[in-house]
Amino acid sequence: AQSVTQLDSHVSVSEGTPVLLRCNYSSSYSPSLFWYVQHPNKGLQLLLKYTSAATLVKGINGFEAEFKKSETSFHLTKPSAHMSDAAEYFCVVSGDTGGFKTIFGAGTRLFVKA
Amino acid sequence: DSGVTQTPKHLITATGQRVTLRCSPRSGDLSVYWYQQSLDQGLQFLIQYYNGEERAKGNILERFSAQQFPDLHSELNLSSLELGDSALYFCASSAGVYNEQFFGPGTRLTVL
Repeated sequence: AQSVTQLDSHVSVSEGTPVLLRCNYSSSYSPSLFWYVQHPNKGLQLLLKYTSAATLVKGINGFEAEFKKSETSFHLTKPSAHMSDAAEYFCVVSGDTGGFKTIFGAGTRLFVKA
Repeated sequence: DSGVTQTPKHLITATGQRVTLRCSPRSGDLSVYWYQQSLDQGLQFLIQYYNGEERAKGNILERFSAQQFPDLHSELNLSSLELGDSALYFCASSAGVYNEQFFGPGTRLTVL
């Protein structure tokens, strides 16, 4: 069975400081992993994806995530937060377990203080 | 703009009624997914179609049904609506089964 846990429901950072959004997953095989961002009253936008190539994945807007199989983690980071990064972030695991499933984490709301 | 379109943007209806939400995937995408987003349940995967066939089912109620047509657009039918069905309904599409998904802007359903 697959599952995904986002360890923080809310994260607050100051503009210009690093961002860390944590995600742990559970899967009995090698899944595909994604991070999506949702700005208020908008649809979801893909930030980045991991599909068993390089373990360090670079995405849009300066975000990146590192796949660590030993820790079953896929944390999202950004060196320097910008006000426009304030949004909800979703970690997603997907794959085929006899019926393709996509599972979203509960989301982490990122607040950026000026 | 993701290239995925959803209509209508907003829908207000009464309990017990039936509604149909429509989704057009990005050009060339064969998979369509439906999701429900509400404050208490978060983002829930409902169902996926691939090239007209049901591919996977998530937390979709029996009162809900979907289909994907030969031109690859999809419709989500919600019947016997309850207050708790009020939510944002998103459609997403992807090229294949395991690819990244591109989300539409959503349909906000309000059941009064």
